[in-house]
Amino acid sequence: GDKVKQSPSALSLQEGTNSALRCNFSIAATTVQWFLQNPRGSLINLFYLVPGTKENGRLKSAFDSKESYSTLHIRDAQLEDSGTYFCAAEDSNYQLIWGSGTKLIIKP
Amino acid sequence: GGIITQTPKFLIGQEGQKLTLKCQQNFNHDTMYWYRQDSGKGLRLIYYSITENDLQKGDLSEGYDASREKKSSFSLTVTSAQKNEMAVFLCASSIRDWIYEQYFGPGTRLTVL
Repeated sequence: GDKVKQSPSALSLQEGTNSALRCNFSIAATTVQWFLQNPRGSLINLFYLVPGTKENGRLKSAFDSKESYSTLHIRDAQLEDSGTYFCAAEDSNYQLIWGSGTKLIIKP
Repeated sequence: GGIITQTPKFLIGQEGQKLTLKCQQNFNHDTMYWYRQDSGKGLRLIYYSITENDLQKGDLSEGYDASREKKSSFSLTVTSAQKNEMAVFLCASSIRDWIYEQYFGPGTRLTVL
């Protein structure tokens, strides 16, 4: 099965609403990174996390290594938040394992 | 701030052709990576390099060669392009090894005719 499983695989939201994306790990993840791939294809690094939480503007992310999951919360979604969100977890062999992404569409 | 540039942005080749993709970074990062992304999928690691002239194979290295000529540049060669290799190739860099944030270039989209 997937070592890094993202959910949901796709999500459609109205502008101004809130959402939460999740990654579950079947590996012993030591760090987690979240990326946004925008509709033009560029990958943007959103967060780099050791266990704990980080916040940046309307985005907040948490990583719980004991429960083996990470979340990305988007508050007051805007049209420019549309794209595919990827999480990637570092395993104990220092390999970065990628999830298959959550495709997010923000509608006006 | 720094930037990662990839050339070319679009690459069209013939089946069986040898094709080279280039990546440059001005972050002064030690580690550079090449990933392949198939349509609608996540990223898979092809090669990475932790310093000049170093090469490490990723999960998808078969059919590819790489070269880290200098700290700022990392090239990827498709040794014999196949139709099922149509994908976006992404270059990334990080300060040192995996435990640091990775920064990505804009990608090279490969089409094999």
